[in-house]
Amino acid sequence: EAGVAQSPRYKIIEKRQSVAFWCNPISGHATLYWYQQILGQGPKLLIQFQNNGVVDDSQLPKDRFSAERLKGVDSTLKIQPAKLEDSAVYLCASSALSRVGQFFGPGTRLTVL
Amino acid sequence: DAKTTQPNSMESNEEEPVHLPCNHSTISGTDYIHWYRQLPSQGPEYVIHGLTSNVNNRMASLAIAEDRKSSTLILHRATLRDAAVYYCILSWGSQGNLIFGKGTKLSVKP
Repeated sequence: EAGVAQSPRYKIIEKRQSVAFWCNPISGHATLYWYQQILGQGPKLLIQFQNNGVVDDSQLPKDRFSAERLKGVDSTLKIQPAKLEDSAVYLCASSALSRVGQFFGPGTRLTVL
Repeated sequence: DAKTTQPNSMESNEEEPVHLPCNHSTISGTDYIHWYRQLPSQGPEYVIHGLTSNVNNRMASLAIAEDRKSSTLILHRATLRDAAVYYCILSWGSQGNLIFGKGTKLSVKP
């Protein structure tokens, strides 16, 4: 089966600019996650969707971050405006309700200058 | 959420077994133990999970202490491709959210 797809793989922006990341989960996976991974740390969950509804967004900085999952398939994560501390790898993962284990994409490495 | 404690780093020789320890003294009865690994420049990869009994799959074995306060991930024969950061994670229920720590960085020497 095809894995989780993410784009772009790399993005460099200036602070106060906006940026968007795209994720296409594994076909049929109802649950989709966005994580932020700062260098040297483990991934931190930002938001979890089940189909097109938000299950958990308690760690999402809602003043600047937003995410949507239209039609319960693809998802986009947006940062507006970006800060220096947003420099990180943004990982998307998906999972099936019937099976344990999250499948991660390769991530988008964001550098904010 | 329950926390886990892992060594920051470990070294192994190629083709030898590796035992990666994890302490989770505050684990509750409904917490599952998951292991993921992250190779350089890649997203994390599911390795194995368990609740009470030892588990085996094609990638590794998971040995869970009788009191469930610790567990060990066993790679039976390390290869250079096993060099990665290994995360031990507890989740409420088998599909609960994962809270990643810093993990153990495993180096494998040829």
